[in-house]
Amino acid sequence: DTEVTQTPKHLVMGMTNKKSLKCEQHMGHRAMYWYKQKAKKPPELMFVYSYEKLSINESVPSRFSPECPNSSLLNLHLHALQPEDSALYLCASSPRQGSGHQPQHFGDGTRLSIL
Amino acid sequence: DAKTTQPTSMDCAEGRAANLPCNHSTISGNEYVYWYRQIHSQGPQYIIHGLKNNETNEMASLIITEDRKSSTLILPHATLRDTAVYYCIVRVINDYKLSFGAGTTVTVRA
Repeated sequence: DTEVTQTPKHLVMGMTNKKSLKCEQHMGHRAMYWYKQKAKKPPELMFVYSYEKLSINESVPSRFSPECPNSSLLNLHLHALQPEDSALYLCASSPRQGSGHQPQHFGDGTRLSIL
Repeated sequence: DAKTTQPTSMDCAEGRAANLPCNHSTISGNEYVYWYRQIHSQGPQYIIHGLKNNETNEMASLIITEDRKSSTLILPHATLRDTAVYYCIVRVINDYKLSFGAGTTVTVRA
């Protein structure tokens, strides 16, 4: 069981669809992260939110749009995705963004397939 | 540019200790060594981290050499549920970055 909850667990969408991924944590963490993991590859950082504000965008295409409505919730809005965007999308949280001595805690991800 | 080097894969016997090596010869004084693992179809799970002293928790022990250029993660009594990809990560103390390398695929066999 993880303390970071991601929904849905699986998502299949067409290239013209709009969908959203949701992530929730109730550990009082003020930093939240989105990672992308392609098959048989390590996770790669996409976005970092610190105190509900976007602080890091790792040059992610604009068809991925993150949102942090409150300190417990993180969304990733998807629009006009490409087949190569099929991957496992992982959410993580940590007490603060620069807390290098404190671990990030991950959810189990949303497995996204683009048709 | 990888900061850590790990074996691609290793097998270990159930009930025995599993010793996972990691080389981080360019580590700086302000960088921690972190270990995560990822069981199939799950997200990465934090295991342990350390700066220069050896560390132990309920999951594992972390042994860091005196020169800090390498470390070993020890799973004291491996079980089949410990089969996973294990990532050794070097992380700057006040940085947000958690850069995963290729990791070691560990298979625990009965």
